[in-house]
Amino acid sequence: EPEVTQTPSHQVTQMGQEVILRCVPISNHLYFYWYRQILGQKVEFLVSFYNNEISEKSEIFDDQFSVERPDGSNFTLKIRSTKLEDSAMYFCASRGLGTDTQYFGPGTRLTVL
Amino acid sequence: AQSVTQLDSQVPVFEEAPVELRCNYSSSVSVYLFWYVQYPNQGLQLLLKYLSGSTLVKGINGFEAEFNKSQTSFHLRKPSVHISDTAEYFCAVRALTGGGNKLTFGTGTQLKVEL
Repeated sequence: EPEVTQTPSHQVTQMGQEVILRCVPISNHLYFYWYRQILGQKVEFLVSFYNNEISEKSEIFDDQFSVERPDGSNFTLKIRSTKLEDSAMYFCASRGLGTDTQYFGPGTRLTVL
Repeated sequence: AQSVTQLDSQVPVFEEAPVELRCNYSSSVSVYLFWYVQYPNQGLQLLLKYLSGSTLVKGINGFEAEFNKSQTSFHLRKPSVHISDTAEYFCAVRALTGGGNKLTFGTGTQLKVEL
């Protein structure tokens, strides 16, 4: 069964450093999402992406964040200058055209020291 | 905007007992409703969803949920749990109109099945 994959599973970085989290969505899906879950809190929407542009973003998704689909398979989330409060589990999700179900990856745990 | 409330942060239950995980939502527009499960060290897996039609929906692993529009609830139930059901369960909603495609999640309920 096709699945969303994410790399790395864990990332530790120093405050102020740039990180790139990678996702490979399900191959025929066209809608892509990033969510995050700070430890002990709810899963929060960050951004949705369709047709090579952001379709919606939350107030969390400020200028420090960017997303890109650099090729036909990867979908990346970049945090330009990480802060301590960016420490969280980041989930990628994808959805096919004409469907309502988002399929989630296993997540990347980001720890900012 | 939408919001989801899962009042129970943890639910301990003995194996083979029934369980209900509660979910209430708030929205000014109609919504789709979802339950996701997260097993330890894994991603979110869809359990079931309500889009329209019958208010009782059945999902994987013997779970079912009932949509109650008047009570704005979508409680998850299983008549007999197994130790392997130990996981975190998330209720989520998506607006049909005006809210984009994003999912709004509750805070999750940790189901712990004991022998």
